[in-house]
Amino acid sequence: ETGVTQTPRHLVMGMTNKKSLKCEQHLGHNAMYWYKQSAKKPLELMFVYSLEERVENNSVPSRFSPECPNSSHLFLHLHTLQPEDSALYLCASSQTTRLAVNEQFFGPGTRLTVL
Amino acid sequence: DQQVKQNSPSLSVQEGRISILNCDYTNSMFDYFLWYKKYPAEGPTFLISISSIKDKNEDGRFTVFLNKSAKHLSLHIVPSQPGDSAVYFCAANYGGSQGNLIFGKGTKLSVKP
Repeated sequence: ETGVTQTPRHLVMGMTNKKSLKCEQHLGHNAMYWYKQSAKKPLELMFVYSLEERVENNSVPSRFSPECPNSSHLFLHLHTLQPEDSALYLCASSQTTRLAVNEQFFGPGTRLTVL
Repeated sequence: DQQVKQNSPSLSVQEGRISILNCDYTNSMFDYFLWYKKYPAEGPTFLISISSIKDKNEDGRFTVFLNKSAKHLSLHIVPSQPGDSAVYFCAANYGGSQGNLIFGKGTKLSVKP
C-alpha cells in the first residue's frame, strides 16, 4: 500500500449504530487530519493530530470521536449520528502541520450515509 | 462567512486552450495558498502552491498568480488537456494555524477534445 488509505470506502449506518472509520498513511508523516465534505460545501477541517497529539478540534460535535494510536493510523469513531452527518469523510497527512513546508496528502475518502 | 471563494462552479474549455480558474479570499492573514485537483472517487491531490511573498509560481503547464492587493489568485493551465478534467480546489492557510487549510467549494473543469 502506498500513500493514504481509508476503509471502508462506503458506509451506511442507522442513527443508533456505532461505527469507525480507519485511515492509514504510508508516507512517514507526523501529522494527520480528518475533513468532512458535505454536498455543495467546502471541505471542512474536523481534527488535526501532530505526533499523535490532537492539536485542533474545529468545534466538532462529540458524536465524532477521533483516535490516533500512532503516527501512521487515525480513526474516527461514530455514534448516534444524524442524517445531516452524511458526507464524504477525508483523511489527510503531512510531514508537519507547518503547511508552508509541506502540503497535505489525501486518502480517497469514506462515503458515509446515515439513515 | 466563506473566507475562500471560488465563484465559478464549473468551467468548460477546448483542448489546447488556456484554462483559468479563479479564487478570492477575505482573510489578509493568509500567507500560503494551494491548489488541489480531485477526480471522482479519489481524494484531492496537491497541484501547486504559492507563498504570499510571491506573485507567481510556475510548474510545467500550471502557473498560479497571486494578487494580494485584490485578494485574488488564479490557476492557469496551458495547454489544457482532457486529463485535466477534474474539480479544482483553492485552499489557504496562515502561519501558526496548525495545518488548518481553508478550502473553497471547488470549480469543475471540463476540457473537451
